[in-house]
Amino acid sequence: GIQVEQSPPDLILQEGANSTLRCNFSDSVNNLQWFHQNPWGQLINLFYIPSGTKQNGRLSATTVATERYSLLYISSSQTTDSGVYFCALEGKTSYDKVIFGPGTSLSVIP
Amino acid sequence: EAQVTQNPRYLITVTGKKLTVTCSQNMNHEYMSWYRQDPGLGLRQIYYSMNVEVTDKGDVPEGYKVSRKEKRNFPLILESPSPNQTSLYFCASSPYAGSSGNTIYFGEGSWLTVV
Repeated sequence: GIQVEQSPPDLILQEGANSTLRCNFSDSVNNLQWFHQNPWGQLINLFYIPSGTKQNGRLSATTVATERYSLLYISSSQTTDSGVYFCALEGKTSYDKVIFGPGTSLSVIP
Repeated sequence: EAQVTQNPRYLITVTGKKLTVTCSQNMNHEYMSWYRQDPGLGLRQIYYSMNVEVTDKGDVPEGYKVSRKEKRNFPLILESPSPNQTSLYFCASSPYAGSSGNTIYFGEGSWLTVV
């Protein structure tokens, strides 16, 4: 089945710094989303982005489907950005299966 | 407001006492699924349903049952819970499987402890 990798696994940032999180996948995808899991465990939908670029405030995401990766950019990070970031995707050849990446754990310190 | 609602959010129960975690969505989604999340193991799919009366096993179905009698509801049943089922559980729904535009919506999670 489709393989998903995320990097880096852990990241510590000073408040105000920028960061880029990466999601690599091994096959063509129908759907790709980025989620933020906050320290209370809630999964928050950030972007639905199977291709192209989207922006929402300090966050933006780009997926290059032909090269099988997606990037999540966080600018001017805040302590509330702390948590785990997951990419989740649905492969074109496994239509009933959503695969989650292992996540990037982000800590933003004041 | 579009949402996926799970209950209970927090539960401590004893080994062997049957319990049901309910899940309901108000978006008329066809596809619903259950995940469990454990430290170091990420999110793993337990069961999924592509439509009413259609359910199938995910990666870790042992010890769980589901049913999909109505489109909006997808309860997760633990017939005889054991301590290794202590976990954070998520219900999710999406419009359909296998096509573009298929945004996944998650419930807020249910923290389950089996003692």
